[in-house]
Amino acid sequence: QSVLTQPPSASGTPGQRVTISCSGSSSNIGGHSVYWYQQLPGSAPKVVIYTDNRRPSGVPDRFSGSKSGTSASLAITGLRSEDEGVYYCAVWDDSLNVFFGTGTTVSVL
Amino acid sequence: QLLVQQPGPGLVKPSETLSLTCAVSGGSISTIDYYWAWIRQPPGKGLEWIGSAFYSGSTYYNPSLKSRVTLSVDTSKNHFSLTMKSVTAADTAVYFCARQEAVAISDLLFDSWDQGTLVTVSS
Repeated sequence: QSVLTQPPSASGTPGQRVTISCSGSSSNIGGHSVYWYQQLPGSAPKVVIYTDNRRPSGVPDRFSGSKSGTSASLAITGLRSEDEGVYYCAVWDDSLNVFFGTGTTVSVL
Repeated sequence: QLLVQQPGPGLVKPSETLSLTCAVSGGSISTIDYYWAWIRQPPGKGLEWIGSAFYSGSTYYNPSLKSRVTLSVDTSKNHFSLTMKSVTAADTAVYFCARQEAVAISDLLFDSWDQGTLVTVSS
């Protein structure tokens, strides 16, 4: 049972903007960096945002991350069919544990 | 660097021990730049961190699994391993090994993953 809460689903039409939230607490998001992972069907997860808002090389600039207080968000602009998958936030917690969020399934309508 | 899980038992009986090994190719496991991690995913569910190990032997575990899990790094064979004892059906999952680029354990940049291995716990 994760301490990081995400909406179960998010959707949009091609070209639209989708935002996914990740809600935590002062012991995790409030004090540590947030990471976002994309898991496409049948594949291992892939990092799309690290250290709150940095994008690894090769990840399109359509993906962006932000954080405020004990919540974080991942935004996908110019939504494309290949963005369909499950997105997880991940954060270190002061309980000496790593938590992944509950996961958000992104659908392109 | 490429991570390749060695073929292992896809089926483990309840109360027995699960053992997995992940080989690192294209670079040395003995680097200060990375931790070596295990993450699992029960069928149809989310991701769960099992633990991370440094080449020097330092280990960090998910507190909920700590009593049953041992991680190790073999620098001579350039691989790292997971051992989980007293498994139950709840341990049925796809097990991933991953490289964790980190200055500190709280840096969760898992930047390279293997394809994952399904381990089923059943009699």
